[in-house]
Amino acid sequence: DGGITQSPKYLFRKEGQNVTLSCEQNLNHDAMYWYRQDPGQGLRLIYYSQIVNDFQKGDIAEGYSVSREKKESFPLTVTSAQKNPTAFYLCASSVAQKKQFFGPGTRLTVL
Amino acid sequence: GQSLEQPSEVTAVEGAIVQINCTYQTSGFYGLSWYQQHDGGAPTFLSYNGLDGLEETGRFSSFLSRSDSYGYLLLQELQMKDSASYFCAVGSNYQLIWGAGTKLIIKP
Repeated sequence: DGGITQSPKYLFRKEGQNVTLSCEQNLNHDAMYWYRQDPGQGLRLIYYSQIVNDFQKGDIAEGYSVSREKKESFPLTVTSAQKNPTAFYLCASSVAQKKQFFGPGTRLTVL
Repeated sequence: GQSLEQPSEVTAVEGAIVQINCTYQTSGFYGLSWYQQHDGGAPTFLSYNGLDGLEETGRFSSFLSRSDSYGYLLLQELQMKDSASYFCAVGSNYQLIWGAGTKLIIKP
């Protein structure tokens, strides 16, 4: 079955640690996105990539980094520079802007 | 700046019809999309309007007026499983700009 997988489902981080969230898709989509969602809020764009080896910052990129070495994979690293990282992180992919497919998400909690 | 406005919460009765409005102000426009998100889950695509008018998909319909920068999602024959948050999103500059979401509460 085609789709997007994210791992882990839950992640706990100590202050000062970097953590990497995985996102893999087998939909053959060129574009991939990372969003952050806080409780009761909408989605805010962290980074997006339209093609392999290229990516752009979204509205809240500070404290995050990404790579796009393969079409299928778009991992997100939450660095220690991100002061308030506790949130629900969603990865998405699309063929065109009008329809994005989402993974199940990763809940990150800072201890 | 870019913004989308939608009501924070709407309450309706099972079996009824409900409309969720969305107004937008964005620097570019490549269609208005609607997504559904159940508590704890990921958003799922519901509908898309690239041109003015009404699009119908089963119990759900979506409308767009580009001249008014306005759209709405219409849900008919409400079922308890429709209890969720609904987000409008506008395509602009290779990304989606998202509204804050409307929580739909359905009473039996």
